[in-house]
Amino acid sequence: GDSVTQMEGPVTLSEEAFLTINCTYTATGYPSLFWYVQYPGEGLQLLLKATKADDKGSNKGFEATYRKETTSFHLEKGSVQVSDSAVYFCALKGRNAGNMLTFGGGTRLMVKP
Amino acid sequence: GAVVSQHPSRVICKSGTSVKIECRSLDFQATTMFWYRQFPKQSLMLMATSNEGSKATYEQGVEKDKFLINHASLTLSTLTVTSAHPEDSSFYICSARDLSSGNSNEQFFGPGTRLTVL
Repeated sequence: GDSVTQMEGPVTLSEEAFLTINCTYTATGYPSLFWYVQYPGEGLQLLLKATKADDKGSNKGFEATYRKETTSFHLEKGSVQVSDSAVYFCALKGRNAGNMLTFGGGTRLMVKP
Repeated sequence: GAVVSQHPSRVICKSGTSVKIECRSLDFQATTMFWYRQFPKQSLMLMATSNEGSKATYEQGVEKDKFLINHASLTLSTLTVTSAHPEDSSFYICSARDLSSGNSNEQFFGPGTRLTVL
């Protein structure tokens, strides 16, 4: 079945540092890929997405590129802020999965001033 | 963007009682809603898919008689945890798909409900 693997956290960075959170997936066909963010005490919010190979999703300074050859969708940000502290989830939606999302285990990011 | 609300945001109950959690799509209609459970420091686990006007589809290992789902309208789905026990304590999150959205891939998530069973 479909699966998503992302790096375990927590990831602790200083403000303005470069961020990379790795995400790889296993799926048949060509899934859509997503990054969700969960701030403390809140539900998930869609951060960015990509629906086909080589697409780059971007939002709020974050970006991720759909790499089919490496089955990856790594999340990056050039300069993190304290307000970026949250848990980030990589997810996929398979072409034949209806509406079901498959989530990775989540990566907690802590940004220190 | 589309908004999904959940009520209550937090609930504390005694063991053996039942708790109902509501999930509402505020500005769109959703024939399908999803219920997830999130354990501390873990990812979301899909519990069931709620379909308006029909029975919910439960994931393997989820007891349908314990987690009752009712999707009576296009904007409301409810999850009732029956005879709750401490091991049911968790963060429950719903999501809904906006049929009118041009992007059929996107689900909108509610803010979650933290259930604590004493």
